[in-house]
Amino acid sequence: GEDVEQSLFLSVREGDSSVINCTYTDSSSTYLYWYKQEPGAGLQLLTYIFSNMDMKQDQRLTVLLNKKDKHLSLRIADTQTGDSAIYFCAEDNQGGKLIFGQGTELSVKP
Amino acid sequence: EADIYQTPRYLVIGTGKKITLECSQTMGHDKMYWYQQDPGMELHLIHYSYGVNSTEKGDLSSESTVSRIRTEHFPLTLESARPSHTSQYLCASRGQTYNEQFFGPGTRLTVL
Repeated sequence: GEDVEQSLFLSVREGDSSVINCTYTDSSSTYLYWYKQEPGAGLQLLTYIFSNMDMKQDQRLTVLLNKKDKHLSLRIADTQTGDSAIYFCAEDNQGGKLIFGQGTELSVKP
Repeated sequence: EADIYQTPRYLVIGTGKKITLECSQTMGHDKMYWYQQDPGMELHLIHYSYGVNSTEKGDLSSESTVSRIRTEHFPLTLESARPSHTSQYLCASRGQTYNEQFFGPGTRLTVL
């Protein structure tokens, strides 16, 4: 069945790069997404990548996709304390539904 | 900025009460979703709709029900709330292009 896995926690120092990893199982996924959730809030779409791309960069965010290994990563350059949040990876199952990972809690220490 | 709204944002209620969580979007999206988010952060899809008069159960069984009488409105109802229903409920809607799934701010429900 479809499954998306993420590590649960990541802690970095302010100014360092953060890399959040995700693996998925559905090779037919056309789009893969990264969402950010701040405390007490809904999910905010950060970025997405189409399955025929290897990399997408958007300001401090870089998404890398290894389709062979079904591995997706989100790199945040120059991580700031305001980046502290939970980050969710999601795949599009082509049935109009998104399958979410468990979320990775990113903690940024000054 | 996404135009999707949920009310109430917070609700504390006693066991056995009937409650309705409201979700509205002004983007004209056909697809709408309800997720239940556990304290351990994982999201579970409990209901979805692909248009007016269309509702389907999601991957996680839920005692709640939904209706879709108007495109912009997708309310979720619990006929008799129980402590096991305590959770955060997130509504989302989706447009025609794949990068457009927007979430509401959520309703945090506590059943005593």
